[in-house]
Amino acid sequence: QPVLTQSSSASGSLGSSVRLTCTLSSGHTTYSIAWHQQQPGKAPRSLMNLERNGIYNRGSGVPDRFSGSSSGADRYLTISNLQSEDEADYYCETWNTNTRVFGGGTKLTVL
Amino acid sequence: EVQLLESGGGLVQPGGSLRLSCAASAFTFSTYAMIWVRQAPGKGLEWVSAISARGDGTYYADSVKGRFSISRDNSKSSLYLQMNSLRAEDTAVYYCARLSTNSHSDYWGQGTLVTVSS
Repeated sequence: QPVLTQSSSASGSLGSSVRLTCTLSSGHTTYSIAWHQQQPGKAPRSLMNLERNGIYNRGSGVPDRFSGSSSGADRYLTISNLQSEDEADYYCETWNTNTRVFGGGTKLTVL
Repeated sequence: EVQLLESGGGLVQPGGSLRLSCAASAFTFSTYAMIWVRQAPGKGLEWVSAISARGDGTYYADSVKGRFSISRDNSKSSLYLQMNSLRAEDTAVYYCARLSTNSHSDYWGQGTLVTVSS
């Protein structure tokens, strides 16, 4: 089954941009993924789904500060004009017919 | 607005059983596959189980296979998770989520806490 690898932490200053990475395991590098945000003490929220060709679709109500891109096995989430409310855990998700996996999550700190 | 509302969590002893429910509203429930995802305290998200839109396909993580059973009642717009032979490591917040037509989780419930302890 696929494995998703994420850095455990990242940080960025208010108003800056940050790019988070989710890496697909060998043999699964063509998979689509989804990005989810989990603010402290809250349920996850879907941000977007992202295809191997870099095409992404943001979820309902997700600001256009959030964008996605792809390169090989890597799937990226870029957050522009960082706001304090962007401080959260970010998870990537992928799936096949019989299973679904999440990355370990990246804790984003807004400085 | 799509809403998913979990219920049924609580404190249960090891070896016990619990049934979680997820009430869906504001979308045609019978046309969407659904999943359960859990999150142990201080840990990341773990997929638990999935069910097809008609309920004729069910899938489980190895960690719960043979102990948990997913089902749905499309006439009631409800999703269920029957959890048997519960273990301490099943302690987590359990979320239900809808799968989009692109197969990713696009809406999440607020979660229900299950604590397995003597």
